[in-house]
Amino acid sequence: SQKIEQNSEALNIQEGKTATLTCNYTNYSPAYLQWYRQDPGRGPVFLLLIRENEKEKRKERLKVTFDTTLKQSLFHITASQPADSATYLCALEGNTPLVFGKGTRLSVIA
Amino acid sequence: DTAVSQTPKYLVTQMGNDKSIKCEQNLGHDTMYWYKQDSKKFLKIMFSYNNKELIINETVPNRFSPKSPDKAHLNLHINSLELGDSAVYFCASSLDQGENIQYFGAGTRLSVL
Repeated sequence: SQKIEQNSEALNIQEGKTATLTCNYTNYSPAYLQWYRQDPGRGPVFLLLIRENEKEKRKERLKVTFDTTLKQSLFHITASQPADSATYLCALEGNTPLVFGKGTRLSVIA
Repeated sequence: DTAVSQTPKYLVTQMGNDKSIKCEQNLGHDTMYWYKQDSKKFLKIMFSYNNKELIINETVPNRFSPKSPDKAHLNLHINSLELGDSAVYFCASSLDQGENIQYFGAGTRLSVL
């Protein structure tokens, strides 16, 4: 069955550094992958989508890569700020419309 | 204006009761979803409707019944609530079933006592 792993439950980094979050998947070849941000008490908010034929996608301080050979996506936040603290979820196109990972809780420390 | 709104935000009830959660989207989307996020934070799809028709029904107890009176609304009715139903329920919508970018509501935290 499809499996998604975001291999850090929590990640703490210093303000100004680059945060890198990992999403690995097995037993599937998704046509695209999405990243969402979820703040406490709120629903997830869509950030970026990357297709299988795209290696990299950028949006302001965010960068996503997609390596279909490694079956992995990396999500980077450069020049991180305390306001970037949240849980970040990756989601894959799967047998259901989207299959979500458990998320990585990012804390950016001032 | 909130794009996807669900009510109530909090729902506390006794085991065995029946309850409903309402969801409305004003984005003009054709597809709406219900997700369950449990205490371990896994977000799992329950149902998906496209233009008022059920297209996905994951393995959920038949005590859960979605109802879509029109494509802007997808309500969730739960019969005979059980302790294990306690979770946060999210409604979402998407423009199409292609890339499925989801727009989520703020969630309904259901606590069954």
